[in-house]
Amino acid sequence: QVQLVQSGAEVEKSGASVKVSCKASGYSFTTYGISWVRQAPGQGLEWVGWISAYNGDANYAQKFQGRVTMTTDTSTNTAYLELRSLRSEDTAVYYCARTRWPRRYFDYWGQGTLVTVSS
Amino acid sequence: DIQMTQSPSSLSASVGDRVTITCRASQGISNYLAWFQQKPGKAPKSLIYGASSLQSGVPTKFSGSGSGTEFTLTISSLHPEDFATYYCQQYFSDPQTFGPGTVVEIK
Repeated sequence: QVQLVQSGAEVEKSGASVKVSCKASGYSFTTYGISWVRQAPGQGLEWVGWISAYNGDANYAQKFQGRVTMTTDTSTNTAYLELRSLRSEDTAVYYCARTRWPRRYFDYWGQGTLVTVSS
Repeated sequence: DIQMTQSPSSLSASVGDRVTITCRASQGISNYLAWFQQKPGKAPKSLIYGASSLQSGVPTKFSGSGSGTEFTLTISSLHPEDFATYYCQQYFSDPQTFGPGTVVEIK
């Protein structure tokens, strides 16, 4: 069965970087993409960006441009989200979601990773 | 960016009720609209894509309709496990954007 298992909670200081992983299993990793969505405490869902596991092409939301990098490792079927220059507003649960392309809609989600940014 | 709105923001309903949630896009998005269900402390679950296509394993009591700028999610008969927050999302253009959510509560 399709599973996306994310890395554990992180606590980082303001200005630091964090890297969250999303390990996929149960399907052909390079046939799909991975999107990242975050949810601040008590808030709604916010799209961060997506990456094709086939060729590594990525597209990021404008508000994260310059601070975010998404990568994939096809040898371990793992996607990564790195967010730099963290600020308190980045405190959120970060979710990965398997993404069908070319239309890029989601089907399966990871369990989420809480990133807490402390000053 | 395309703005997504949902109505109502919350509703109270009883087990067995039929419930309809509306989602509107600030510009036409064809049928590139998805719906998600989220329970407290859990990851979202994908329900519908393409405005009306059910994701694998999603019960047929969920249905979606619409095209262009106005969409609906209908739950034909509420069960206790359906009480949750529901989000719509457009994937017509980047950045993909979500509605603010509709909380479905037990009356």
